[in-house]
Amino acid sequence: QKEVEQNSGPLSVPEGAIASLNCTYSDRGSQSFFWYRQYSGKSPELIMFIYSNGDKEDGRFTAQLNKASQYVSLLIRDSQPSDSATYLCAVGTSGTYKYIFGTGTRLKVLA
Amino acid sequence: GAGVSQTPSNKVTEKGKYVELRCDPISGHTALYWYRQSLGQGPEFLIYFQGTGAADDSGLPNDRFFAVRPEGSVSTLKIQRTERGDSAVYLCASSPGKTSGGDTQYFGPGTRLTVL
Repeated sequence: QKEVEQNSGPLSVPEGAIASLNCTYSDRGSQSFFWYRQYSGKSPELIMFIYSNGDKEDGRFTAQLNKASQYVSLLIRDSQPSDSATYLCAVGTSGTYKYIFGTGTRLKVLA
Repeated sequence: GAGVSQTPSNKVTEKGKYVELRCDPISGHTALYWYRQSLGQGPEFLIYFQGTGAADDSGLPNDRFFAVRPEGSVSTLKIQRTERGDSAVYLCASSPGKTSGGDTQYFGPGTRLTVL
């Protein structure tokens, strides 16, 4: 079983819609969760992070964490074609600086 | 200041050769990470430095891979006797090093290594 799992996609949504990206993790000791965006041929850039159960909003982005179910999600409201990229979920565990990444979900926002 | 920088941006080498990849982290960041990313995959952890020491090298695939960070800033990833399977993008990231399991990492642009 992979430690961090994401659907590879592609996930296609029309412009202006809400895109919902999901990530599950296996280590119950995980405590920090990061979402990165990666454009083709570029390096990952941080979108947001979340540590506590519940929702965290930052502009058009909302991260949702449910530790009991071991999943974290990213919602992108009012999706734009420029949001088309691969979204990577990364998980960190207290006591270690080793972060585990999922394989990423490719998002396509259709104009 | 400037972000994480990596050199070279591209490296083409022949099977069996030795290569060095360099990473210059964000000034003041004590934590430095090396990852390897293959096409269609997420970054795969290789090694993590806290200061000058390798705090976790559990991701290095074998003893052909070695990394150093002698002065706690610039790091070099060294690959001996390169193999075609080593071809990938090698990413470096740095973070402040203040919160284990919760530090925010900032990635460099990567070095694309191609082994012919």
